Amino acid sequence: QVQLVESGGGVVQPGGSLRLSCAASEFSYTSYAMHWLRQAPDKGLEWVAVISHDEISKSHADSVKGRFTISRDNSKNTVFLQMNSLRDEDTAVYYCARAPNNRWHQFDYWGQGTLVTVSS
Amino acid sequence: QSALTQPASVSGSPGQSIAISCAGTSSDVGGYNFVSWYQQHPGKAPKLMIYDVSNRPSGVSDRFSGSKSGNTASLTISGLQAEDEADYYCSSYAGDVAHYVFGRGTKVTVL
Repeated sequence: QVQLVESGGGVVQPGGSLRLSCAASEFSYTSYAMHWLRQAPDKGLEWVAVISHDEISKSHADSVKGRFTISRDNSKNTVFLQMNSLRDEDTAVYYCARAPNNRWHQFDYWGQGTLVTVSS
Repeated sequence: QSALTQPASVSGSPGQSIAISCAGTSSDVGGYNFVSWYQQHPGKAPKLMIYDVSNRPSGVSDRFSGSKSGNTASLTISGLQAEDEADYYCSSYAGDVAHYVFGRGTKVTVL
């Protein structure tokens, strides 16, 4: 059974930083690109960032570019999202999701999410 | 990049068929056969139901089907069941700049 388990969420003040982690298991981790997506309270889904299976390619949504950075550690089957200069509008449940290497648009399994609240 | 346009809500009685539309542009839905649909129950993670416009992942009921015409994609649920009550989101690849865009979601209610 594919498992993606996010952690690292919490309450942070505007301008602060958080680092999210997503631990993967029960599948061939290096055969997949990994994404972060988010969902603000009672809102829809928004794509945040993607990283290739080999860590070489990565992209970020314009809304987080320059503030958030995606990375992964293939020795630990874990993907990270470093979030700096957080804003109120970054408040959301953050999900990691996997996508087959040649099909980055196909988010075929999602974790349960971790809540990030940006508030003073 | 603007979100894809979905109806806020759709309802139907058990056993009926319903369709959810997802309107985009030639830069996303119309430009690629990379439309996906996700089901999300309250407090749960999204689940992939349809990929590449009309393909079902293993384990997804054949009551779910997808199609596309021009810049609009559709998800049809046949033989509506109580367990189908959930939010449904469409998504499309939108090129190297916008990457991936989502609709705002459609709440399906089983009457």
